[in-house]
Amino acid sequence: GQNIDQPTEMTATEGAIVQINCTYQTSGFNGLFWYQQHAGEAPTFLSYNVLDGLEEKGRFSSFLSRSKGYSYLLLKELQMKDSASYLCAVRPAGNTDKLIFGTGTRLQVFP
Amino acid sequence: DTEVTQTPKHLVMGMTNKKSLKCEQHMGHRAMYWYKQKAKKPPELMFVYSYEKLSINESVPSRFSPECPNSSLLNLHLHALQPEDSALYLCASSQGLAIHNEQFFGPGTRLTVL
Repeated sequence: GQNIDQPTEMTATEGAIVQINCTYQTSGFNGLFWYQQHAGEAPTFLSYNVLDGLEEKGRFSSFLSRSKGYSYLLLKELQMKDSASYLCAVRPAGNTDKLIFGTGTRLQVFP
Repeated sequence: DTEVTQTPKHLVMGMTNKKSLKCEQHMGHRAMYWYKQKAKKPPELMFVYSYEKLSINESVPSRFSPECPNSSLLNLHLHALQPEDSALYLCASSQGLAIHNEQFFGPGTRLTVL
């Protein structure tokens, strides 16, 4: 079966660093995506990893370890506007049209 | 134009009504998707169209009927829905067959079934 797990909720302080973890067990692997979704809005693309290692994009970085079935999203210099849900999604092997979303992590940033 | 648009933004319907949700993209993307999202849950894939042909149906009840009239448009026809079908319905599109192609989401239609 397909299983993608994330912590349900996290809190952090403005200016801090937070790491959101994602573990997955899927039928094959063609990459992992991170999306941000503010309440009542559409998910927006943050990052894509298909090879092991760290991808950095400004304040956001994403890491992947395929052997461990593990990824994390690192958010630095947190801002209030970063309060949102963060969704990890895996593209399984065999069908490039499909994305399987994890349970999502609701992050709340406090002043 | 780099966005996916959806209409209407909100829809309230009775269980005997027939209504349609519309989605449009002008990015030349070849794949379009319907997702259902309940509150505080991740999006669940319903249907995928690739080159205007239905390629994935995730065992969705027949009261939901997708249609892709052309490469820019995607509809979801609704008939005899149940209150538990109330949710945010998201449309998405992606460019091509490469595995790194991300999906671009529309703002969604918030559906309430009475």
